Amino acid sequence: RKEVEQDPGPFNVPEGATVAFNCTYSNSASQSFFWYRQDCRKEPKLLMSVYSSGNEDGRFTAQLNRASQYISLLIRDSKLSDSATYLCVVTRGGQNFVFGPGTRLSVLP
Amino acid sequence: DTGVSQDPRHKITKRGQNVTFRCDPISEHNRLYWYRQTLGQGPEFLTYFQNEAQLEKSRLLSDRFSAERPKGSFSTLEIQRTEQGDSAMYLCASSLNSLAGETQYFGPGTRLLVL
Repeated sequence: RKEVEQDPGPFNVPEGATVAFNCTYSNSASQSFFWYRQDCRKEPKLLMSVYSSGNEDGRFTAQLNRASQYISLLIRDSKLSDSATYLCVVTRGGQNFVFGPGTRLSVLP
Repeated sequence: DTGVSQDPRHKITKRGQNVTFRCDPISEHNRLYWYRQTLGQGPEFLTYFQNEAQLEKSRLLSDRFSAERPKGSFSTLEIQRTEQGDSAMYLCASSLNSLAGETQYFGPGTRLLVL
């Protein structure tokens, strides 16, 4: 079993839709959590950190459930520009960031 | 542009040749990471440095791979006797490890094709 697993996707949604991605991690010692976005043939870029209390940044909401070892990302009112691969990232004490395989999102006009 | 640069951006080489990649991190960042990414997968950790010390190496990093960060600034990743399976995107990331936490910023990557 991989240390970080994500919905395989791809997700094809119409503009304006709400879409949610799930991520699970196996190491209970994991301490920090992030969502990164990666456009085709580009480098990953930080989308948002994930805090225990949950956090929101505009149309994006991230949730963490430590008991279930589960992280989610919700995107509301999807835009064409949201089309990308979304990577779940888990760290242990700031070392060795472990990336999930990513979930590809296509927002359709 | 995150401020992390990598050179070259693309490299085509023949099997058996040696290649070297360079990464210039954000100047005040003390940590530097190397990852490898293949199509349809997330980045896989290879190694990381804190200042000039190489603190961790993945089992993915065979003895054909070596990385250095001689002065705690830029880093090089060398692959000796390249194999076709080495074809991938090699990503560098830098971060500042502080009490506030750590966020990685990635360079644009070096895409390697071994023929």
